[in-house]
Amino acid sequence: EVQLVESGGGLVQPGGSLRLSCAASGFTFSDYWMSWVRQAPGKGLEWVANIKQDGSEKYYVDSVRGRFTISRDNAKNSLLLQMNSLRAEDTAVYYCTRAAALDYWGQGVLVTVSS
Amino acid sequence: EIVLTQSPDFHSVTPKERITITCRASQSIGSSLHWYQQKPAQSPKILIKYASQSMSGVPSRFSGSGSGTDFTLTINSLEAEDAAAYYCHQSSSLTGTFGQGTKVEIK
Repeated sequence: EVQLVESGGGLVQPGGSLRLSCAASGFTFSDYWMSWVRQAPGKGLEWVANIKQDGSEKYYVDSVRGRFTISRDNAKNSLLLQMNSLRAEDTAVYYCTRAAALDYWGQGVLVTVSS
Repeated sequence: EIVLTQSPDFHSVTPKERITITCRASQSIGSSLHWYQQKPAQSPKILIKYASQSMSGVPSRFSGSGSGTDFTLTINSLEAEDAAAYYCHQSSSLTGTFGQGTKVEIK
């Protein structure tokens, strides 16, 4: 059974940093592109970033480029999102998702940016 | 950036009705269009991938069609459990985008 389990969310002040993790199991992690998608409270879905199977290609939505870094550790079956210079508008539930089609989703982790 | 525009934003329907949700892309995306259902307090769940490919475990009343810039999600014989938000997503470009969502309410 495919499982994606996010962790690392919480409350952080504006300008602060947070690192999200996603533990993957039930499939060959190194075979798939992986992505982060977020959803602000009461709003729609927003694609955030993705990373190629071997980590050689990474892409970001304009609003986070230069502040967020996506990475992966294929030996540990884990996906990471390092978030720096956080803003109030980054407040959202962050989901870890698999493949270009986003065919599996984690349960999500809440990130709140507030003073 | 490829913009996806869904219509309508809101659908209020009675059980057993057939509804269609459309998703229009700002440029051609081939068949790289996927549909998701999200119920309150739940993670999104994929319904259809690559425009028309049904996913295992998804009821057969859900179907997708289209290519290029115009796509449709059809729900036949709507059931009460189908009350949810529906989103389209494109993976044609290196940076993905979502439609704004369509909320379906059951009367």
